[in-house]
Amino acid sequence: QTVVTQEPSLSVSPGGTVTLTCGLSSGSVSTRNYPSWYQQTPGQAPRTLIYTTNTRSTGVPDRFSGSIFGNKAALTIRGAQADDESVYYCVLYMGSGIRVFGGGTRLTVL
Amino acid sequence: EEQLVESGGGLVQPGGSLRLSCEGSGFTFSSYGLNWVRQAPGKGLEWLTYISSGSSTIFYADSVKGRFTISRDNAKNSLYLQMNSLRDEDTAVYYCAREYNYGSGFNYWGQGTLVTVSS
Repeated sequence: QTVVTQEPSLSVSPGGTVTLTCGLSSGSVSTRNYPSWYQQTPGQAPRTLIYTTNTRSTGVPDRFSGSIFGNKAALTIRGAQADDESVYYCVLYMGSGIRVFGGGTRLTVL
Repeated sequence: EEQLVESGGGLVQPGGSLRLSCEGSGFTFSSYGLNWVRQAPGKGLEWLTYISSGSSTIFYADSVKGRFTISRDNAKNSLYLQMNSLRDEDTAVYYCAREYNYGSGFNYWGQGTLVTVSS
C-alpha cells in the first residue's frame, strides 16, 4: 500500500522561507494527484491552504504557494510568521476514488 | 457564508452504532461532492469516504468499508455517516469536508463532532 510521506517536523526563522514536501513511498507525485495542503492548530478544524496543486483557497495570503518540486508536491511559506506555527497536512488523490493524507509536518517558527 | 455543521457525535459502546449528520448552508449543496474525514486523539487526519453530488459515486477507505455508510439528502442539504460495529479505534473527531472538484482536495470543512467508543 502506497504511503504519503511528509517531514515529521521542520523549523523556520521568523521572516524566513520554508518548503514542506509531500511524496509517495512508491512513485512520483504529479498534478494528477491533485495535491492539496491544510493547516491545523490544536483544537481547531483544518484550514484549507492550497488545492489542485497550486490554487490558494479564499483568504489565504500569497505567502503560501503550492507546486510540484521534483517528484514531490511542495508547500512553500515565505515571510514566516509566529502564527504559521501549526501542523500541515497534504492530501493526494490516488485514483479509484481514494484520497490519502500524509502524516503531517509540525512547523516551528523560532 | 458557506458553512458545514456536523452533529450526532457522542459516547457509544463498542459494537454499537451512531449516525452523524452534516448540514450545509450558503452554497448549492447539491452541486458538490462531500467527504468524511476523522482525526483520532493526538493523531493525524484520515480520509474515510466520498459521495458525489448526486450520490451515484461512493468510495470508502479500507478501514471503514463494510462498517460505515455515507449518504446524502440534497433536499435537506444534509450529509450522513452511518457507523456500525464501532470499535475503540473509531474514537475520533469526525469532519465533513466539501471538494472543489472531484479529487481536487477539500476547500470547506465543518467544525467536527466527537465520537467516543468506550465501554
